[in-house]
Amino acid sequence: GEEVAQTPKHLVRGEGQKAKLYCAPIKGHSYVFWYQQVLKNEFKFLISFQNENVFDETGMPKERFSAKCLPNSPCSLEIQATKLEDSAVYFCASSHDRTNLPYEQYFGPGTRLTVT
Amino acid sequence: QKEVEQDPGPLSVPEGAIVSLNCTYSNSAFQYFMWYRQYSRKGPELLMYTYSSGNKEDGRFTAQVDKSSKYISLFIRDSQPSDSATYLCATSVRGSNYKLTFGKGTLLTVNP
Repeated sequence: GEEVAQTPKHLVRGEGQKAKLYCAPIKGHSYVFWYQQVLKNEFKFLISFQNENVFDETGMPKERFSAKCLPNSPCSLEIQATKLEDSAVYFCASSHDRTNLPYEQYFGPGTRLTVT
Repeated sequence: QKEVEQDPGPLSVPEGAIVSLNCTYSNSAFQYFMWYRQYSRKGPELLMYTYSSGNKEDGRFTAQVDKSSKYISLFIRDSQPSDSATYLCATSVRGSNYKLTFGKGTLLTVNP
């Protein structure tokens, strides 16, 4: 599609439950990025993919967070055993792989995760 | 010190005013500079993208990068109430795996 799609819009989980978020990048874009936006607009990079391959996972809290981008499926971000501090809006962004274009990232509407 | 500093505002201007939004950054390796607009409870929308120094104009929006002073600006001419949003600057280092570093955003209100 022409826009990054994210589902669900809102997700409420009790502490310790699993949360799974989905992202469909813009058609033709090879890169997918996940960012976490917490209070006061702080954006934190989590992980990126080039097609189905992990490109950079330096921002991922490894113990409970995992992500995948499989062919012909939406990308997913999964949080096992959620904690209160995971409450945030999770944004997915996608970009093209031509020269300099990966920096031009287009964001989806986000998934608001509330952990109670 | 944060890598990208941005005055959170809020900034309130009358319709038709020229708006100036600014960020400073500390990492001289930043080479890519973006401005995003984010409406309440929505995703960031890419407005302007510049590489290295200089100006870029798109309609009512002008982005400026001054690498010597590590200062980036977004100017909005003839501001409209529909421009009311949070404006985020973002930067990236060449070869950084394309990760964006964001400022905290400036909340702008344009009053009719």
